[in-house]
Amino acid sequence: DAGITQSPRHKVTETGTPVTLRCHQTENHRYMYWYRQDPGHGLRLIHYSYGVKDTDKGEVSDGYSVSRSKTEDFLLTLESATSSQTSVYFCAIKGQGSAETQYFGPGTRLLVL
Amino acid sequence: GQSLEQPSEVTAVEGAIVQINCTYQTSGFYGLSWYQQHDGGAPTFLSYNALDGLEETGRFSSFLSRSDSYGYLLLQELQMKDSASYFCAVRDRTGGFKTIFGAGTRLFVKA
Repeated sequence: DAGITQSPRHKVTETGTPVTLRCHQTENHRYMYWYRQDPGHGLRLIHYSYGVKDTDKGEVSDGYSVSRSKTEDFLLTLESATSSQTSVYFCAIKGQGSAETQYFGPGTRLLVL
Repeated sequence: GQSLEQPSEVTAVEGAIVQINCTYQTSGFYGLSWYQQHDGGAPTFLSYNALDGLEETGRFSSFLSRSDSYGYLLLQELQMKDSASYFCAVRDRTGGFKTIFGAGTRLFVKA
């Protein structure tokens, strides 16, 4: 257990509204990631962070922004939600000292109506 | 760019052995990882290969051939609980710490 929590776990919102998802970790990991998962697409990287205030885009970053003001929290914001952003969102951290092991949070199911 | 290919579905019988293949294309290469995901759950790390050869962890083994840009996950003594989706993933040297996942292979284990 890498001590990763996500909130909320489920959310229903309307098109055009802003939404913020939170990822919280308790073990001081440097690298944090946000993925979305849709049927037939596996996990696609939205944004990732390699330290406080250090972030970079992934393969599907359009329509999303992130912030990391402290090590333990990585926020994903949908500035104006669209139905195409209905998905399951996973946060992950990269294990300490491990080349590639990523530990995932429980996920957030987002429905945009 | 980067891409990974793996079969969409595999079906096998309880107690059997199954192999899930993954071919990748990257401009650089760090290593190949495998993750398991049960329905409704989060992905969990299974194995990682940075060098050619076979890595064994209990009933699961993972193989990598860098020259062929190919790897596989081998599951032995299949159990019903192994029914899940399996994802291969790579990190590209040119992509910082970005990890790219394949679309996943759905494994069905039958009694």
